[in-house]
Amino acid sequence: QQQVKQSPQSLIVQKGGISIINCAYENTAFDYFPWYQQFPGKGPALLIAIRPDVSEKKEGRFTISFNKSAKQFSLHIMDSQPGDSATYFCAASLQTGANNLFFGTGTRLTVIP
Amino acid sequence: NAGVMQNPRHLVRRRGQEARLRCSPMKGHSHVYWYRQLPEEGLKFMVYLQKENIIDESGMPKERFSAEFPKEGPSILRIQQVVRGDSAAYFCASSPSGGGGNIQYFGAGTRLSVL
Repeated sequence: QQQVKQSPQSLIVQKGGISIINCAYENTAFDYFPWYQQFPGKGPALLIAIRPDVSEKKEGRFTISFNKSAKQFSLHIMDSQPGDSATYFCAASLQTGANNLFFGTGTRLTVIP
Repeated sequence: NAGVMQNPRHLVRRRGQEARLRCSPMKGHSHVYWYRQLPEEGLKFMVYLQKENIIDESGMPKERFSAEFPKEGPSILRIQQVVRGDSAAYFCASSPSGGGGNIQYFGAGTRLSVL
């Protein structure tokens, strides 16, 4: 059972465009939602994270939008660059308990020059 | 401050052999998580350990897999009698404390290939 569903599976965006990746979750007890970026042959690296008490968080060109009632959150990459080409994973974890992350299945982003 | 170190980076085993994967957490981190990533899939949680304790192993297969995090030395994920289906990338992450919302820092992974 996939606790966090992610779409699209792959995404191609032109340089300078906006990349949008969407995630949805079922467990209302989740209260921490990070996004990870992974380059080929590397481990995932934390990009940006949000808690459900805010609807949006922005760090540079990266923005998370969070809709608690719809149980959805999304990553927006503004002014996408070829260097952003990577696989992006959304994740969620519980406030209490072991804090293990439940990952989405990933989105392979390709930014073409 | 070195990041999370995993070794080996690549490991090739024949069916029936044992695989040992090592993870040294970031300095000052006492919480370790192991995840498995199958090709074209997201990471799946396997086990969460603190020093000398297994806190949550709900994601571990019931047989052949074990993990430890001794008082001294790295965390070890051990897979006995490997099968082809064990071929995957295994990632270790560490955090300075447990509880919700703590950032997990990932190593570069060990890619296990079972022939």
